[in-house]
Amino acid sequence: SQKIEQNSEALNIQEGKTATLTCNYTNYSPAYLQWYRQDPGRGPVFLLLIRENEKEKRKERLKVTFDTTLKQSLFHITASQPADSATYLCALDIYGGSQGNLIFGKGTKLSVKP
Amino acid sequence: AAGVIQSPRHLIKEKRETATLKCYPIPRHDTVYWYQQGPGQDPQFLISFYEKMQSDKGSIPDRFSAQQFSDYHSELNMSSLELGDSALYFCASSLPTLDTIYFGEGSWLTVV
Repeated sequence: SQKIEQNSEALNIQEGKTATLTCNYTNYSPAYLQWYRQDPGRGPVFLLLIRENEKEKRKERLKVTFDTTLKQSLFHITASQPADSATYLCALDIYGGSQGNLIFGKGTKLSVKP
Repeated sequence: AAGVIQSPRHLIKEKRETATLKCYPIPRHDTVYWYQQGPGQDPQFLISFYEKMQSDKGSIPDRFSAQQFSDYHSELNMSSLELGDSALYFCASSLPTLDTIYFGEGSWLTVV
């Protein structure tokens, strides 16, 4: 069955450091992978999408890599700030395309300490 | 910019009662998705609609039904509520030409 794993439930880092979150998947051949941020009691907020033919994508302090051979995506937040503290979810479309039927990982709760 | 609007934000119902959640997508978005997120869980896909027709079905219980109306808003109807239905219910919307979907703030349902 399809499975998405995020490397840890929680990640604690110091302000200014780079946070690296991992997302691994099995039994998929996704056309793209997405990362979302979710704050407690709030809806997921889309951050980045990376396609299977893209190795890396950047948006301000965020960087995502996608290795379809390893079936892994890495999500980096550089120069982290306490405001970056949230749960980060990776997601794949179950059909590998853009149907919107997303399967989410369990998320990694990032805490950035001042 | 306009976002996905959900109502009510909070709802308390007793077991075996019925609840209806409403979702108003971003203007011009014609695709709506419903997700359920239990405490400490990841969001689970329930059902989606495109142009008022059901486009996909996930782990939606038979006690639940949903529809999309001519103005593209959607309603999720839940009957014979059980304690395990207590969760945050998200609606999301998108355009079929876009790869990303936009989530609302969710509706908290508590079944007591």
